[in-house]
Amino acid sequence: KNEVEQSPQNLTAQEGEFITINCSYSVGISALHWLQQHPGGGIVSLFMLSSGKKKHGRLIATINIQEKHSSLHITASHPRDSAVYICAVISGGSNYKLTFGKGTLLTVNP
Amino acid sequence: EAQVTQNPRYLITVTGKKLTVTCSQNMNHEYMSWYRQDPGLGLRQIYYSMNVEVTDKGDVPEGYKVSRKEKRNFPLILESPSPNQTSLYFCASSRSQGAVYGYTFGSGTRLTVV
Repeated sequence: KNEVEQSPQNLTAQEGEFITINCSYSVGISALHWLQQHPGGGIVSLFMLSSGKKKHGRLIATINIQEKHSSLHITASHPRDSAVYICAVISGGSNYKLTFGKGTLLTVNP
Repeated sequence: EAQVTQNPRYLITVTGKKLTVTCSQNMNHEYMSWYRQDPGLGLRQIYYSMNVEVTDKGDVPEGYKVSRKEKRNFPLILESPSPNQTSLYFCASSRSQGAVYGYTFGSGTRLTVV
């Protein structure tokens, strides 16, 4: 079993829909990252969370440490949001090692 | 502009021909790392460095070498590349103190070994 599980693997939405991507992890962590990767593109860090909730524009990330679960929400989705979204955790025992989920491919149709 | 620069972006090489992928950051970050990304497997850490002259293995270090002689540079060396090292490679950096400040990634290097 992977230490970091994301769901769904693939997600197709219509423009304007509310999107939720989930991430569950099985180890103690010191922080969790949400990353975005556009097709053929580099990786951009969206959020770093150790507790609670963060918001940036139409993106909201939440984390529940007790339940070992995080969600990434996109409000009023747009075709330019189409990308792979990757959850990554920094294990509690090591402050430097990132363990990644396999990513969620989001396609937003106009 | 704060960035991590990887070169080259694309590389096709033959089995056994030594190559180096360069990574440089201009943010005075202490932590740097290399990852490979493969379909169905996601991103996996190859090596990381917590500071100059301090490096350690990640999850998939076999077939790779690294060095950190200067703070800004962290090259990835493939002494004898093989086809199973065909992959998309990313370098990343972060400030110290447990990387709680987030990571900056390079644009990636797509390597094909034939």
